Amino acid sequence: DSGVTQTPKHLITATGQRVTLRCSPRSGDLSVYWYQQSLDQGLQFLIQYYNGEERAKGNILERFSAQQFPDLHSELNLSSLELGDSALYFCASSARGSRGTDTQYFGPGTRLTVL
Amino acid sequence: DAKTTQPPSMDCAEGRAANLPCNHSTISGNEYVYWYRQIHSQGPQYIIHGLKNNETNEMASLIITEDRKSSTLILPHATLRDTAVYYCPQTPVSGGYQKVTFGTGTKLQVIP
Repeated sequence: DSGVTQTPKHLITATGQRVTLRCSPRSGDLSVYWYQQSLDQGLQFLIQYYNGEERAKGNILERFSAQQFPDLHSELNLSSLELGDSALYFCASSARGSRGTDTQYFGPGTRLTVL
Repeated sequence: DAKTTQPPSMDCAEGRAANLPCNHSTISGNEYVYWYRQIHSQGPQYIIHGLKNNETNEMASLIITEDRKSSTLILPHATLRDTAVYYCPQTPVSGGYQKVTFGTGTKLQVIP
């Protein structure tokens, strides 16, 4: 158990709809990352937040948005869903280590199915 | 974006050492080499990381070449539970900025 929690575990919805995925980082971790993993694909970095502020952005679609709240939990909002958005969505969190590194600890993921 | 190159798949006999290579042709001085693995569709799991020196922990050993352009993850006695996809993203050491590229990884199959 990494200490990162994600809800829901599974989500089935229709095209055109909007969903919200939730992530709670490990206690004390200030950074939260979101990744998308389509079937048999690698992990695609979407976005990173650090202590409530956006820090890095990957290939995140304009239909997707995220935020990190004062209690450090994060939400990823996906709107105008398309069939191609069906994927596993992972959240990870990290804390600055003693060597200045940021090891990421991943949650169990949310499996999104768009019908 | 930083990119690493890994073989798409490898097999290893149970009980033998598994040596997984990774090329970091674009690695810069402020980037660590990290290794993670993903078992089936679970969340990726941290294994080990290093900058210049070789590293060892309870899970694995990491060998980094002197020019840092390649690394090898060694699982000394592979078990069936080590069957997974292994990733070697380059991770910058900076003020919390982490646009990390995982790539498609190496699918390691441990054979009984």
